[in-house]
Amino acid sequence: GAGVSQSPSNKVTEKGKDVELRCDPISGHTALYWYRQSLGQGLEFLIYFQGNSAPDKSGLPSDRFSAERTGGSVSTLTIQRTQQEDSAVYLCASSLGWISGRHSNEQFFGPGTRLTVL
Amino acid sequence: AQSVSQHNHHVILSEAASLELGCNYSYGGTVNLFWYVQYPGQHLQLLLKYFSGDPLVKGIKGFEAEFIKSKFSFNLRKPSVQWSDTAEYFCAVNRLTSGNTPLVFGKGTRLSVIA
Repeated sequence: GAGVSQSPSNKVTEKGKDVELRCDPISGHTALYWYRQSLGQGLEFLIYFQGNSAPDKSGLPSDRFSAERTGGSVSTLTIQRTQQEDSAVYLCASSLGWISGRHSNEQFFGPGTRLTVL
Repeated sequence: AQSVSQHNHHVILSEAASLELGCNYSYGGTVNLFWYVQYPGQHLQLLLKYFSGDPLVKGIKGFEAEFIKSKFSFNLRKPSVQWSDTAEYFCAVNRLTSGNTPLVFGKGTRLSVIA
């Protein structure tokens, strides 16, 4: 597909369970970002991958949150022992990165995964 | 740390009215500036962006924004809104570096256009 895809589109889980959210970035994009969109908090940065560099985890709200990116492409965001305050829309974005002496900071967003923790 | 302020939480306009949504950012260095739009039930889409050059940038659907460095502002404008402009609008900024950096978003402004 041409855009960023995310799965599942909706996830309902019980408090205390673990969840995995998946992101497929645009082919060729070296940078991948996870954000969270919740009522009252707006859009918050969670974690960022750039090529083979160590990820920037500075936005992760707690050690229950982790993410990995395999093969420089697909990424999985894992939330362990979910809490009700984790309920939000989790957005993934990708961008081209540093290509041929210029940088492209335009980020393309996926449709998001709506997580509801009961 | 960077931060972005959007002054209006909810704006209600009649069709054909002019629109201006305020955005101010705080960061001492050089930044890239963006406006994203999220239509009901859809994902975030880029409206326009400023990296360098002419501070007045044109985007899609008749939107424009002006970067005023001295005021740390990047206000979004449209001369005549349509019902289809009903959406949530987000201003965002990231640092201008040799690579990519995460976006810092404002809390968004919900625009409702009524007939």
